[in-house]
Parts: sequence; C-alpha cells; structure tokens
Amino acid sequence: GDSVTQMEGPVTLSEEAFLTINCTYTATGYPSLFWYVQYPGEGLQLLLKATKADDKGSNKGFEATYRKETTSFHLEKGSVQVSDSAVYFCALSENTGGFKTIFGAGTRLFVKA
Amino acid sequence: DADVTQTPRNRITKTGKRIMLECSQTKGHDRMYWYRQDPGLGLRLIYYSFDVKDINKGEISDGYSVSRQAQAKFSLSLESAIPNQTALYFCATSDPAITDTQYFGPGTRLTVL
Repeated sequence: GDSVTQMEGPVTLSEEAFLTINCTYTATGYPSLFWYVQYPGEGLQLLLKATKADDKGSNKGFEATYRKETTSFHLEKGSVQVSDSAVYFCALSENTGGFKTIFGAGTRLFVKA
Repeated sequence: DADVTQTPRNRITKTGKRIMLECSQTKGHDRMYWYRQDPGLGLRLIYYSFDVKDINKGEISDGYSVSRQAQAKFSLSLESAIPNQTALYFCATSDPAITDTQYFGPGTRLTVL
C-alpha cells in the first residue's frame, strides 16, 4: 500500500541555518504531495503542496519539489527562524475510490537563537 | 472563529468509561475524518466520512465508533476506554475539489487512567 517515510528527528539548527527534511513515498498511482506543519498546542496546517511531477510548492520561505523519478518531496528552507520550531509532516493523497491522506511520522525541528 | 472546532480540548477519564469527542466545522466540506496522533507514529486514520450517509473504517477503528449527525458534525466515541487509547485526537475536513487538502481542528488530548 501507499506509504510515506520521512527523516527522524529531532533536528536542531541554529537560526539562519539551512534546513532540509527528507521525505520519500511509495504510491501506486500519481498522488498529490503535501507538507503540513504543527506548532505547539495546535492542529496541523497545510504548509505547501504539489499535485504533479516537477511541480514546486512554496510558502513562507519553504520549498519542496515533486520528484517522481526519485519518489521524493524534500522540504527546504534557506534560513530558518526560531518561529519555525514545530513538527513537520510529509503526506500524500491519492484518489483511489475516494481521497485518503497518508502521513509520515513527523520530524520535530528545534531552532536555537 | 476557527473553521474546525473540537470539544473538549482536554479530557481525563477512567478505564471502562464511555467518552464522546465532538467535532464541528463551518467550512461546508462534505468529507470529515478522525485521526489519532501518538509520538513517533504520525497520524493514523480512525474513521472517515465522505458525506452524511457514508461512514468508513480507517486503519485503527477497533474500540471506536462514530456518528455523522449532519454535514457539519462528526463525533467519535470510545465505548469503553482503555489506557492505550491515551493520545491526541484530531478531527479534519477536506474538499476534493482542491486536491483534498486537509483542515484540522485544534485537537483533543485524552488521558485514560
């Protein structure tokens, strides 16, 4: 079945460092890919998404490119801030008789001032 | 006002008690979901509903039941709570017309003693 694998955390960075969180997926068809972010004490919210191969999703300085050949959707940010400290979830959604979303285990990011 | 609300936000109960978690949404979406979040396991789908007359089991439905009272309301029940149901529970909605992006409530933290 479909699955999402993302790098284990926690990831600890200093402010202004470069961030990469790896995400790979397995799917039978052509899924849409998502990154969600969960700030402390809150529910998940959409950070960015891409719906087809080679699409780049971007938001708030974060980017991820849908790579079909490597089945990957890695999250990157050039310069992280303390306010980016959160848990990040990679996810896929595929229309197999009705959309269902499969989430990765989440990666916790700590950014130090 | 929040688009997806959950009540209660926190609940402590004892083994064997019946518990109901409620979810309401003002987004007008037909699709609603209940997820469970455990540390290191990401989000796991308990039940989902694609419209008022459609209820489906997710990957971990044992020990849970749901009721879709209206398009806007989707309740999750634990008929006889047990300690390993201690977790963070999220309700979500989605609209397949926008690639099934999920919109989450703030979560209910449930502790079963």
